[in-house]
Amino acid sequence: QVQVVESGGGLVKPGGSLRLSCAASGFTFSDYYMNWIRQGPGKGLEWVSYISNGGGYTKYADSVRGRFTISRDNAENSLYLQMDSLRTEDTALYYCVRSPIGFGELFSLWGRGTLVTVSS
Amino acid sequence: DIQMTQSPSSVSAFVGGRVTITCRASQYIATWLAWYQQKPGKVPKLLIYSASNLQGGVPSRFSGSGSGTNFTLTISSLQPEDFATYYCQQTDSFPLTFGGGTKVEIK
Repeated sequence: QVQVVESGGGLVKPGGSLRLSCAASGFTFSDYYMNWIRQGPGKGLEWVSYISNGGGYTKYADSVRGRFTISRDNAENSLYLQMDSLRTEDTALYYCVRSPIGFGELFSLWGRGTLVTVSS
Repeated sequence: DIQMTQSPSSVSAFVGGRVTITCRASQYIATWLAWYQQKPGKVPKLLIYSASNLQGGVPSRFSGSGSGTNFTLTISSLQPEDFATYYCQQTDSFPLTFGGGTKVEIK
């Protein structure tokens, strides 16, 4: 079954850190560009970060650049998001999302998300 | 950064009715635009890419048009399963950005 499954969310205090993971299965993970996208409670979608299939090319939203780091381990079929210096406005459901081959800026396979709550 | 503005923010329509949603980009993006559907409690689903290309499996009652800075998503004959929130997204350049969403509700 082709899927991605997120984990690692939870409650963290402002200024704290969290590492999200995404386990991919059912497809050749190393062929695909991957993304993290988030959705605040009752809010719209916000693209967070992107990583190329080999991991050598990354991009970030202005709101997280310098605080979040995306990475991947193709041998483990896993995607990660290291989140540091967390702020209350980072509270959201974080989705791991696969892009179609050849369309790195589209989002075609979504996980169910992992909830991150930043609160004191 | 490219700002994406959708209108209206919500729209009510009857089953069988026609709905048009507009998306405007703050700068020229050719046809680098996608549309997504998100039902309550569900993950978003890619409907249309490159402004007018239907993703596989998407019913033909959905159509997209436009180029440059102005785009539309049309649902020609609204079905009960189409009631959802729709988002546009520019795929022209990073940072990738979404519109604020349009909620399609039952009248």
